[in-house]
Amino acid sequence: GAGVSQSPRYKVAKRGQDVALRCDPISGHVSLFWYQQALGQGPEFLTYFQNEAQLDKSGLPSDRFFAERPEGSVSTLKIQRTQQEDSAVYLCASSLVGYGGYTFGSGTRLTVV
Amino acid sequence: EDQVTQSPEALRLQEGESSSLNCSYTVSGLRGLFWYRQDPGKGPEFLFTLYSAGEEKEKERLKATLTKKESFLHITAPKPEDSATYLCAVQPPGGSEKLVFGKGTKLTVNP
Repeated sequence: GAGVSQSPRYKVAKRGQDVALRCDPISGHVSLFWYQQALGQGPEFLTYFQNEAQLDKSGLPSDRFFAERPEGSVSTLKIQRTQQEDSAVYLCASSLVGYGGYTFGSGTRLTVV
Repeated sequence: EDQVTQSPEALRLQEGESSSLNCSYTVSGLRGLFWYRQDPGKGPEFLFTLYSAGEEKEKERLKATLTKKESFLHITAPKPEDSATYLCAVQPPGGSEKLVFGKGTKLTVNP
């Protein structure tokens, strides 16, 4: 597609529920990134992939967060046993290798109630 | 810890009133500094990359400049459609491609 596609756009989860957020990057973009953006804040890095290899997961806040990109294209961010503090917009971005000018998707707004 | 500080947090301008946004950083060995624009309900949109002190980039009414410790985003004769949050990000040294973002400056341009 022409841009980075994320689904769902909105997700409401009950505390303790598991969620899965999907990202479909721009075709040919080797690098894929996940960021978390709280209200009124800048995006915070979670993890990134180069093809199917997860090269940096230093930003994942706990072992409840898990990301995968098994075929080097679509990626899924999974959050287990969601907590209220997980409520945020989760942004996915993709880019050519070594180029910081990412293309971001519109994000998934997660609300944990 | 790498830090990016943007000021002011919010800025209101009248249409045609030029101004500048500031981004200061404490990263040593900066690999790149990036400016993004974010509209409500959307992901950030890439504007510029700057790599070395003295570098400048321009796009329409926007010009970005870089020194050793800060960057400025100059907005000349802004229009209401320039209203958005402007985010600054740095790419720290090391092998990771991650960016460290500031909190942003929310710009409102009144007609």
